[in-house]
Amino acid sequence: GESVGLHLPTLSVQEGDNSIINCAYSNSASDYFIWYKQESGKGPQFIIDIRSNMDKRQGQRVTVLLNKTVKHLSLQIAATQPGDSAVYFCAEFSGSARQLTFGSGTQLTVLP
Amino acid sequence: EAQVTQNPRYLITVTGKKLTVTCSQNMNHEYMSWYRQDPGLGLRQIYYSMNVEVTDKGDVPEGYKVSRKEKRNFPLILESPSPNQTSLYFCASSLGHRDTQYFGPGTRLTVL
Repeated sequence: GESVGLHLPTLSVQEGDNSIINCAYSNSASDYFIWYKQESGKGPQFIIDIRSNMDKRQGQRVTVLLNKTVKHLSLQIAATQPGDSAVYFCAEFSGSARQLTFGSGTQLTVLP
Repeated sequence: EAQVTQNPRYLITVTGKKLTVTCSQNMNHEYMSWYRQDPGLGLRQIYYSMNVEVTDKGDVPEGYKVSRKEKRNFPLILESPSPNQTSLYFCASSLGHRDTQYFGPGTRLTVL
C-alpha cells in the first residue's frame, strides 16, 4: 500500500543551528500534508501544514517545503532550541481518503 | 480550555478482561479518531468517526470496537484484550476529516 516514510530516524543538532527533517511520501494523490511534534509523554501537537497547491509555507521559526516532483516534504526549524527536542512526524492526506497516514517519526535531539 | 481528554492514562490488565478507554472533546468537532502508537511503526489508525452514529475502520481495527452516540465522546472498547494490544493509544478530533487533528494525552495500555 501507499506509505509515508522518513529518511532518518534520528537527528542531532547544536543549539542555535537550523534543523531540517525530511519526509518521503509515495501517494501521488496526496494533497494535504501536516507536520506534528511529539514530546515525551505527550500526544502529537500540530506544527504546520501545507496543501499541494503550494511549495512553501512559513510559520514561526518553522518552514515546510513541498516538492511534488520527487514526492518529498521537509520541515526546517530555525535557531533550534532545547525545547524543540522531540519526535517529528509527517502525515499525508489524499483526496479520496478519510484518514491521515503518518510516517514513523524522526527523533530530534538538540545538543547544548 | 479546548482539549481532548482520555481516561485512564495508564492501565494494566489481563488477557480477556474487557476494558473501555474513554475519549472526550469539548470543541464541537465532528471528526474523531483512535490511533495506536508502537515503536518503529508510528501512528496507525484504528477507527474513526465522521459524525454521530457514523464510524469506520481504520488500518488496524481487529480486536477493537468503538461507538459514537454523542458528538463529544468516542470510547474505544477492547472486548477481549490480548498482549499484542499492549500499546500507547491516542484519541484525536478535528472539525472535519480534512482539518487539523488535535490529540489527547495518550493512554498506555499493558495487557498481561
